[in-house]
Amino acid sequence: GQNIDQPTEMTATEGAIVQINCTYQTSGFNGLFWYQQHAGEAPTFLSYNVLDGLEEKGRFSSFLSRSKGYSYLLLKELQMKDSASYLCAVRDWDSNYQLIWGAGTKLIIKP
Amino acid sequence: NAGVTQTPKFRILKIGQSMTLQCTQDMNHNYMYWYRQDPGMGLKLIYYSVGAGITDKGEVPNGYNVSRSTTEDFPLRLELAAPSQTSVYFCASSKDVTNYGYTFGSGTRLTVV
Repeated sequence: GQNIDQPTEMTATEGAIVQINCTYQTSGFNGLFWYQQHAGEAPTFLSYNVLDGLEEKGRFSSFLSRSKGYSYLLLKELQMKDSASYLCAVRDWDSNYQLIWGAGTKLIIKP
Repeated sequence: NAGVTQTPKFRILKIGQSMTLQCTQDMNHNYMYWYRQDPGMGLKLIYYSVGAGITDKGEVPNGYNVSRSTTEDFPLRLELAAPSQTSVYFCASSKDVTNYGYTFGSGTRLTVV
């Protein structure tokens, strides 16, 4: 079956680094997305990985290992505004290229 | 550039009532989507469209209908509201099925009582 797992909640300190993991099981992997969602707001696109390796975009980086069905989102120099939920989504060609979403990881930043 | 506009932002319906959630995008995106988001759950795809005149069911289509008469508009219709349809609904669009992320509307919080 198709499944995406993320930790439900994580806590980190302002200025620190945090890694949010995502593991997936899909029959037709065709790319992995990370989105940020602040409470009461819509998700916003952060990153996309389709090949193995690290994609860096400012303070945010995303890593993919297709053989392990694993990705992580790395957030550096944490700011209070980074308090949000982070959603992992996998595009699956077996589902007509639609996204399958994880439940999200709520990240709490403490001063 | 407004992006994806959803209306209304909030709505309370009684069981058995009907309503239409409106969604409009001004980015000339071919693909549009309707999702629902329940607490502790991932986004669930209700319906999607790859272009004007073409719609397809997602993971949870029962109780909903859609139409796509123009590239810009993709309304979602609830015919007989049920408490199980209490949720936050998001409309989204994308240029196509590549590495472009989705652009989401601000959401509609619907309560059925």
